[in-house]
Amino acid sequence: DAGVIQSPRHEVTEMGQEVTLRCKPISGHDYLFWYRQTMMRGLELLIYFNNNVPIDDSGMPEDRFSAKMPNASFSTLKIQPSEPRDSAVYFCASSLRAQLQRAGYTFGSGTRLTVV
Amino acid sequence: GNSVTQMEGPVTLSEEAFLTINCTYTATGYPSLFWYVQYPGEGLQLLLKATKADDKGSNKGFEATYRKETTSFHLEKGSVQVSDSAVYFCALSRPQAGTALIFGKGTTLSVSS
Repeated sequence: DAGVIQSPRHEVTEMGQEVTLRCKPISGHDYLFWYRQTMMRGLELLIYFNNNVPIDDSGMPEDRFSAKMPNASFSTLKIQPSEPRDSAVYFCASSLRAQLQRAGYTFGSGTRLTVV
Repeated sequence: GNSVTQMEGPVTLSEEAFLTINCTYTATGYPSLFWYVQYPGEGLQLLLKATKADDKGSNKGFEATYRKETTSFHLEKGSVQVSDSAVYFCALSRPQAGTALIFGKGTTLSVSS
């Protein structure tokens, strides 16, 4: 099993540009989570999906952020337009509903985003 | 509501010292409890877990016991190594299946030789 795969690992972009982060969950997992990690705020849940359907997006900071899951093996988090305060590490995680209580999630390695 | 509170860091120890990182929680029902570890430049990895009261989770020399009476899940290790330097997160999963984990803010551990 390749684990949760995120791309790119690092992204540097200029303010105002569109940024797209990608995630491939573990095959068969039916939950997918997007988190953001900063020194100031720690680990924040942005949005999560169940069976490709967004369940809770209350953590999405503002309309500039959007997330999609077009199929069970792929999700994107898009920021348009990007701002310097969006600089953070973005993590994707996946889980199987039946295992959530006893096994938690599997995290990807993260995408370090720097907006200059 | 449901929440997790961890001790503030950073925690700085010498090699072979005893480690305790405190974690308390607030939850309705009977959550599962987790400790995750994040090594520099990496994602979070599950370190250990406990799914019911009095369960003890253990892995790589780390232990934590689910204490319902004190709503705590403190992480301990008898003798830390430099390689244990990382950020440690306590988390709970709410009893309703299919909901997101709630994480504490993380505690940074730095071990020197």
